[in-house]
Amino acid sequence: DTEVTQTPKHLVMGMTNKKSLKCEQHMGHRAMYWYKQKAKKPPELMFVYSYEKLSINESVPSRFSPECPNSSLLNLHLHALQPEDSALYLCASSYTDNEQFFGPGTRLTVL
Amino acid sequence: DQQVKQNSPSLSVQEGRISILNCDYTNSMFDYFLWYKKYPAEGPTFLISISSIKDKNEDGRFTVFLNKSAKHLSLHIVPSQPGDSAVYFCAASLGDKIIFGKGTRLHILP
Repeated sequence: DTEVTQTPKHLVMGMTNKKSLKCEQHMGHRAMYWYKQKAKKPPELMFVYSYEKLSINESVPSRFSPECPNSSLLNLHLHALQPEDSALYLCASSYTDNEQFFGPGTRLTVL
Repeated sequence: DQQVKQNSPSLSVQEGRISILNCDYTNSMFDYFLWYKKYPAEGPTFLISISSIKDKNEDGRFTVFLNKSAKHLSLHIVPSQPGDSAVYFCAASLGDKIIFGKGTRLHILP
């Protein structure tokens, strides 16, 4: 299995909702990442987990809460989001410090 | 402050010819450089990387050249094919972090 999978593919939520994005990989990668990508912009790093521990938080607002239940799973819990948080949320994983494998993303719309 | 710069937002190349995508960086501590390809509504796909201690890496139709003194790298695609039309992101890694350029949209013309 050489894939990073993400669910759901699309998510529409209101500003008072609580939802979660899920990411899974079975490649034995030790690091997992969350990125946010707005239209026509490069991916922006949000969080990095290394060996299931949060190693980087790029000053992301607390309405985004990551969780790494085990080495194959990465969640992003969403609460009280704003319309400007609408974007493509990408998960990635890597075995080494360089090559990252990306999932297809979750297209999030906040109303 | 943009640490990884792709100064050409778009590039058009005739099918069969060479596509050259350029990237500049400012941080001499980057240890790897990578190229990703992205189709609309999909996640980026890793293409090729180069260690900061090398100056060339080749993989099939893709070759990446690194000029450390100029802090410049380029991706050569030869011959260019219609399926190569996509956005190409240059990226640089420093430990667990990868920093992306803004991307160059490549159009392969028939």
